[in-house]
Amino acid sequence: DQQVKQNSPSLSVQEGRISILNCDYTNSMFDYFLWYKKYPAEGPTFLISISSIKDKNEDGRFTVFLNKSAKHLSLHIVPSQPGDSAVYFCAASAEGGSQGNLIFGKGTKLSVKP
Amino acid sequence: NAGVTQTPKFRVLKTGQSMTLLCAQDMNHEYMYWYRQDPGMGLRLIHYSVGEGTTAKGEVPDGYNVSRLKKQNFLLGLESAAPSQTSVYFCAGHRTGGYEQYFGPGTRLTVT
Repeated sequence: DQQVKQNSPSLSVQEGRISILNCDYTNSMFDYFLWYKKYPAEGPTFLISISSIKDKNEDGRFTVFLNKSAKHLSLHIVPSQPGDSAVYFCAASAEGGSQGNLIFGKGTKLSVKP
Repeated sequence: NAGVTQTPKFRVLKTGQSMTLLCAQDMNHEYMYWYRQDPGMGLRLIHYSVGEGTTAKGEVPDGYNVSRLKKQNFLLGLESAAPSQTSVYFCAGHRTGGYEQYFGPGTRLTVT
């Protein structure tokens, strides 16, 4: 049973427009959420995170929104750039979970077209 | 600083062969993890360690063993490789109190 779901395997966006990547979760014990970005043949790199006590966190062009009642979070990229083309993974951690183990979604491949 | 490094980058094994993947970090990570990534499956945790001399099973531990004799190194072993272990393997780590894991570049393993 998937605890972290990214239901869109891929997303295509025009350069300069907004990219919205979605993530749903089922475990109400999750208290910290992260987004990772992965380019081909490289390891994932941390992008942005949010604690469950907040509903928004912003870092430059990247904003993560958390809706706890809906068990849903989203990553907004504005404006999108061709260099943002990558696979984006949503991840979550549970309070009291095994020393910070992360549960990852399957990823969404973002393509930003010039 | 080298960060998190993995050796080797690529490897081809025959069924039944054994090998060890090495993860090394100079970031003072207390916690270290081994994941595998398969197409359409995301990242799945194999084993992890919460400190030198400790190891624990993750989501998909069967067929793998690990050791953490030194804080900076985390080894992943395959005693008898199977085609189902064809995958890309990532090592990651983080410090105590931090959630953000830092990943190595990966090892692409093919078992024929």
